[in-house]
This record gives sequence, C-alpha cells and structure tokens, in this order.
Amino acid sequence: ETGVTQSPTHLIKTRGQQVTLRCSSQSGHNTVSWYQQALGQGPQFIFQYYREEENGRGNFPPRFSGLQFPNYSSELNVNALELDDSALYLCASSWEGQGNGYTFGSGTRLTVV
Amino acid sequence: AQRVTQPEKLLSVFKGAPVELKCNYSYSGSPELFWYVQYSRQRLQLLLRHISRESIKGFTADLNKGETSFHLKKPFAQEEDSAMYYCALGGSNYKLTFGKGTLLTVNP
Repeated sequence: ETGVTQSPTHLIKTRGQQVTLRCSSQSGHNTVSWYQQALGQGPQFIFQYYREEENGRGNFPPRFSGLQFPNYSSELNVNALELDDSALYLCASSWEGQGNGYTFGSGTRLTVV
Repeated sequence: AQRVTQPEKLLSVFKGAPVELKCNYSYSGSPELFWYVQYSRQRLQLLLRHISRESIKGFTADLNKGETSFHLKKPFAQEEDSAMYYCALGGSNYKLTFGKGTLLTVNP
C-alpha cells in the first residue's frame, strides 16, 4: 500500500489567484473526497468523486472544482482565491465510498495573502 | 441536515483512568458513525467504525440511536492515547460530517 499522497505540502498564493492541489489515491481506491480544515475546526466536506464523476458536494461555491483521473489521482482547483480560503486541504480515498473508512493524506497547507 | 457535536474541546485524564469522549449526532436517515484520530505530527486516521463493532487500541464505541450518541470509551487510558479525536457521521450522499474534535491529554 502506498497510502494517499498530496502535493504540494505548503503553498502561498495571493488573493484573486488560482490554485491547483493534487492527490494520489491509495492503490485500489476508486473514491476520493476533498476536505477543508480551518484552524481549530474539524474537516469540512468539499466534494467527492467516484469513478471520475462528482457524486456529492458540500456547501462550497462553484469556484471550488475538481477532477478525478482514470488512475484515480485527483485535483482540487480553487479560482479567485479569498483570504478565507486559507486552510489545510485534505484528500481522502476509499474503496466504494465512506462505509469502508477513508485513508487521509497529510494535506496541503494553503495560505492566501 | 447532518450535524456532529463534540461538546468537549479539551479532555485531560491521568494514566490508568477511564476516558470517555462524547459525540452526539443529528441525522434523519440511517447513520454510519466513525471515530478518527490524529496523533501529533501525523495524518488523520480511522480509529473505528460502528458497523464493524470492533475494539481498536482498547477503544470501543457503541451507537445509541435513542440518544443519538456514539461516545468513545477506554477503561484505562495510556499516555500514547494523547491525540486529537474526531467523531464523523456518514450520510447518504457519501459525505463525512466531522465534529470539531476533542484534544485528549493523558498525564503520567
């Protein structure tokens, strides 16, 4: 098992810019979810992809978008960055959804200045 | 709407004492409940899930649908149990809703 890897680990962007975060799912996992974790809070669900299709979305605006590729790697894109987007972004993968529990990556710390 | 409440932000116990981390949820459907743990400088990892009814590292959690609770318990806390614990609720649209977490400190 290779686990879930995320890149980059840290990132600083300017307000209004766009950012792409990347995630490599654990081998054999066909479901990937993205979470935003603000300081002192639990992770908040952004969206989930299952077999390359988005199949669930949280309360995040459309400027948060994603992709899942045939090899089950994934991207989170955020356009028009705002200061409040500063957070830890977590990627989590699983086999056939949440019932089997998610494997989390270490996250990407995004700072918007 | 899905909601998870962990009423204690901080919990401090002595080694060997029993520990209970509280979790209450709100969900109209059939819930799937999980406990995740994050040790210092490590990633978030699954501790246990109610559907498997297992005991991991001495921790157990029972789903009480009447009280809408899923409290995490351990009879004798160890120093290595010190970590951040998150209760999470799974819903029909696959999203996991997390509580804000409880930081457990086990003192020697």
